[in-house]
Amino acid sequence: DQQVKQNSPSLSVQEGRISILNCDYTNSMFDYFLWYKKYPAEGPTFLISISSIKDKNEDGRFTVFLNKSAKHLSLHIVPSQPGDSAVYFCAASDVRGNSGAGSYQLTFGKGTKLSVIP
Amino acid sequence: KAGVTQTPRYLIKTRGQQVTLSCSPISGHRSVSWYQQTPGQGLQFLFEYFSETQRNKGNFPGRFSGRQFSNSRSEMNVSTLELGDSALYLCASSLGGGAAGANVLTFGAGSRLTVL
Repeated sequence: DQQVKQNSPSLSVQEGRISILNCDYTNSMFDYFLWYKKYPAEGPTFLISISSIKDKNEDGRFTVFLNKSAKHLSLHIVPSQPGDSAVYFCAASDVRGNSGAGSYQLTFGKGTKLSVIP
Repeated sequence: KAGVTQTPRYLIKTRGQQVTLSCSPISGHRSVSWYQQTPGQGLQFLFEYFSETQRNKGNFPGRFSGRQFSNSRSEMNVSTLELGDSALYLCASSLGGGAAGANVLTFGAGSRLTVL
């Protein structure tokens, strides 16, 4: 039972254009969502997050949109750069429901490999 | 400030052996989580430790265990290795507080385990 799904294993985009990475989730208890970027031979690096009380969060070239009714979030990268080429993971957490003070288990999607072509 | 350090980076074991992986979190981070990454399954949660106590556990068999020391360093152990245990094992640390925004996980580079 995959609670976080990234249905596109890969995506190719021209440099300077917009990259849109999508993520769907099934667990309505998820209330905090994150995007991580991973280069080969490195651990995932935090990119941007959004709480369920918001529908948009922006940080520089990166914007995350959350549509709670559709249980869908997306990451927009504008403009895309060759250095953005990496695997992007969507992750979700049920912060309110986790036991203890801030127990923070993340459920990840399987990732989307983004290739930005110069 | 130093990041999350995992050792060893690469190791090869044979079926039936056991392995211990180590993780040193970012200074001041009290929560340490472990994840298994495989090509078919993505990143899957193993367990999380906070102040030397296991706070959360994923859906893995009892062969997978862990512990956390008083200095927040953590180890995970896999006994009776199987071929399917070949994976990248990632450790992540966080402050471990209550606010969602304060709990962004910082990952190490991982320990790549190959079981032959």
